Amino acid sequence: GAVVSQHPSRVICKSGTSVKIECRSLDFQATTMFWYRQFPKQSLMLMATSNEGSKATYEQGVEKDKFLINHASLTLSTLTVTSAHPEDSSFYICSARDRGQSTYEQYFGPGTRLTVT
Amino acid sequence: GDSVTQMEGPVTLSEEAFLTINCTYTATGYPSLFWYVQYPGEGLQLLLKATKADDKGSNKGFEATYRKETTSFHLEKGSVQVSDSAVYFCALFTGSARQLTFGSGTQLTVLP
Repeated sequence: GAVVSQHPSRVICKSGTSVKIECRSLDFQATTMFWYRQFPKQSLMLMATSNEGSKATYEQGVEKDKFLINHASLTLSTLTVTSAHPEDSSFYICSARDRGQSTYEQYFGPGTRLTVT
Repeated sequence: GDSVTQMEGPVTLSEEAFLTINCTYTATGYPSLFWYVQYPGEGLQLLLKATKADDKGSNKGFEATYRKETTSFHLEKGSVQVSDSAVYFCALFTGSARQLTFGSGTQLTVLP
């Protein structure tokens, strides 16, 4: 089946630094990737949608200058949290849509736990 | 806009008990409906889906039927196992929004 990987799985960074999270589709081409944020015991909040080769579309309330998304290829999207603060600590999950599948099919990565100290 | 309302948890059951997690939705058009499962520390996995009214999705002993008349997609399992302990998310997808809308999730704990 379709596999999406995320790296790193866990990261701890100091306040004020930036951290990059990678999302890769391992065995399919992903024209669209999604980035979600999940708070403890809560649902997933869609942050942005990225299409290969174009700018990401951010959901209302998400700071595009703080959460930089780059969908550089059909198998890789990156989320960079710039000037991270403790309130950015969260579980970040990406998902990818296979270009050859139905539009509703999304495959989720295992998530990245970000802790900002 | 589209929305999904899920039964609030947490739900705690004994092994072999019957499980129901309620899910209702509001959507424009004709959504596709999904149940996802999230095991501790992991991302979401698709558990089952239904793409049109009266469809029944099933997987690993779990079932859910797309009920258009009641706008519901309740998750059921006849006999739960300890390994079913996880968070379950109901979700919908519409062609107009072109993105998944999730419910708030229901934590299930199955005790031996």
